[in-house]
Amino acid sequence: EAQVTQNPRYLITVTGKKLTVTCSQNMNHEYMSWYRQDPGLGLRQIYYSMNVEVTDKGDVPEGYKVSRKEKRNFPLILESPSPNQTSLYFCASSLSLVISKQYFGPGTRLTVT
Amino acid sequence: AQTVTQSQPEMSVQEAETVTLSCTYDTSESDYYLFWYKQPPSRQMILVIRQEAYKQQNATENRFSVNFQKAAKSFSLKISDSQLGDAAMYFCAYRNTKTSYDKVIFGPGTSLSVIP
Repeated sequence: EAQVTQNPRYLITVTGKKLTVTCSQNMNHEYMSWYRQDPGLGLRQIYYSMNVEVTDKGDVPEGYKVSRKEKRNFPLILESPSPNQTSLYFCASSLSLVISKQYFGPGTRLTVT
Repeated sequence: AQTVTQSQPEMSVQEAETVTLSCTYDTSESDYYLFWYKQPPSRQMILVIRQEAYKQQNATENRFSVNFQKAAKSFSLKISDSQLGDAAMYFCAYRNTKTSYDKVIFGPGTSLSVIP
């Protein structure tokens, strides 16, 4: 089954404790993105990747890191989480420039206390 | 900078009636994509409909259709014969992808309630 998976689905952590949210897709997609969703703001793009080893900042990259060592995986790293990073996070992938439909993961609810 | 605006935070519709959700956007690009996504309480993001900016014909998907006005930068979603399962948050999104960047902007969303 074609899908985007994220782990964990729920995470409660404390300020400053490094964490990684994993994202994996099994569709051989080139494009992958991370978003955060906050009430009244919709989804905002954090980082995106256009291929292996090619990543770039979205609109809200501060406090986040990403890597793309393999085509299928695109982890989101919070080196020192803060309470303002409490949010719902989505990973998404799409095949190419022409095929623009994004496939979304199920979301990760992160709470930083 | 590109922006996407949804001016209706909340809307309601009677079951079986028609409702239109508004979306406007701002861009200086001529080639881009527009989307409507549905997010039910499960939080899953579901693609409802997609429109390529170079196509003049409005996209339709069963009970869902759009009114795409490129010059006015408007992209509204019409839901016909509304069903209880249509109750959800709806997001309008703009995507501009080139060889050097992949920009995706979402609106703040419209919460749609369906009244039995």
